[in-house]
Amino acid sequence: DVKVTQSSRYLVKRTGEKVFLECVQDMDHENMFWYRQDPGLGLRLIYFSYDVKMKEKGDIPEGYSVSREKKERFSLILESASTNQTSMYLCASSETGDAYEQYFGPGTRLTVT
Amino acid sequence: AQRVTQPEKLLSVFKGAPVELKCNYSYSGSPELFWYVQYSRQRLQLLLRHISRESIKGFTADLNKGETSFHLKKPFAQEEDSAMYYCALGRLGGTSYGKLTFGQGTILTVHP
Repeated sequence: DVKVTQSSRYLVKRTGEKVFLECVQDMDHENMFWYRQDPGLGLRLIYFSYDVKMKEKGDIPEGYSVSREKKERFSLILESASTNQTSMYLCASSETGDAYEQYFGPGTRLTVT
Repeated sequence: AQRVTQPEKLLSVFKGAPVELKCNYSYSGSPELFWYVQYSRQRLQLLLRHISRESIKGFTADLNKGETSFHLKKPFAQEEDSAMYYCALGRLGGTSYGKLTFGQGTILTVHP
């Protein structure tokens, strides 16, 4: 059973703070993804990675960066949090052979005040 | 550019009634289409994909390339079908492989 875990379920940060969101998967998946989920907008891809130290921009990468130093871990970094980054953040992973069947984490609800 | 549109934000039906969740897409290539579902207090998960052409939990979806649609249907809705449903388009080729474009989502409520 695939397990994707995210470091925090809820997070409250102040404007300008550097924020780290961590995601770990235990199924040796090559691909990992970060999305944000907003009402009326659905899920939007921020960044994804198809291998260690590799990353690709998604549709809304501005204001975010990522790090993948180990295969099982994919971190999302908000260099200087802003109120418009208040959202639900979802991490997902998938294997190369079936990249579209993505396994999602429980999400981190980030509030930036 | 690829786009997925789910025109209904909310959809309410009574138990036993047919249900159809609409999804339209725009994509210049040959698409792969998916439906993802998120039940209350559960994680988002894949429900079905067009290429498998199978029924999952009584749901089916047919890809209509002429109308660029991939509507999700079930003849007799159950209360446990209440959830958020997302239609998603898979982008093919090169570094786009594995990237999904999601629609806005439809909240389905099935009343007893």
